[in-house]
Amino acid sequence: DVKVTQSSRYLVKRTGEKVFLECVQDMDHENMFWYRQDPGLGLRLIYFSYDVKMKEKGDIPEGYSVSREKKERFSLILESASTNQTSMYLCASSLFRALHFGNGTRLTVT
Amino acid sequence: SQQGEEDPQALSIQEGENATMNCSYKTSINNLQWYRQNSGRGLVHLILIRSNEREKHSGRLRVTLDTSKKSSSLLITASRAADTASYFCATDEETSGSRLTFGEGTQLTVNP
Repeated sequence: DVKVTQSSRYLVKRTGEKVFLECVQDMDHENMFWYRQDPGLGLRLIYFSYDVKMKEKGDIPEGYSVSREKKERFSLILESASTNQTSMYLCASSLFRALHFGNGTRLTVT
Repeated sequence: SQQGEEDPQALSIQEGENATMNCSYKTSINNLQWYRQNSGRGLVHLILIRSNEREKHSGRLRVTLDTSKKSSSLLITASRAADTASYFCATDEETSGSRLTFGEGTQLTVNP
């Protein structure tokens, strides 16, 4: 089975801090994605990557950046955390069509 | 609004009953997928139906797709309390480059 591991289940950060959310997959998948999930808004795509060192903006990239230095690892970076970035963050990977998700990181920015 | 919109937003049934959830979308798609999310966890892929397919089965799941109406339905037969979860449809749009767009989900509660 594919395993997608997100480094933290819960995270509390202060406004203005730089935040790193880490995601690792163990199935040599080409594609990796970062979504955020908010009540009433569903899942929204932040960034995705089809290959090492490659990144594409999703629907809501503002305030975020990503890094993919190795195939198995895709990091989401909040350059200067703000309270409106409090959310559930979900990482996913895929080889073809179906996404495999991690368990999510619930981030609170105070 | 979201490409995939589920209906109803919430559904409560008794164990043993069937549960039907619907999804509507707006643009042409390559495929449509259904996912399940247990409370506070990540999403799990359930089933994928391609645009040239009309119906697909997997265990107690039955998915239909009507591309002329731009809609899909997910039927869970003989539901169990363990089926309690949120269910999301996701569309792989022809113009999206294999990005999935998710709806807001249907919260299903199966009462023992």
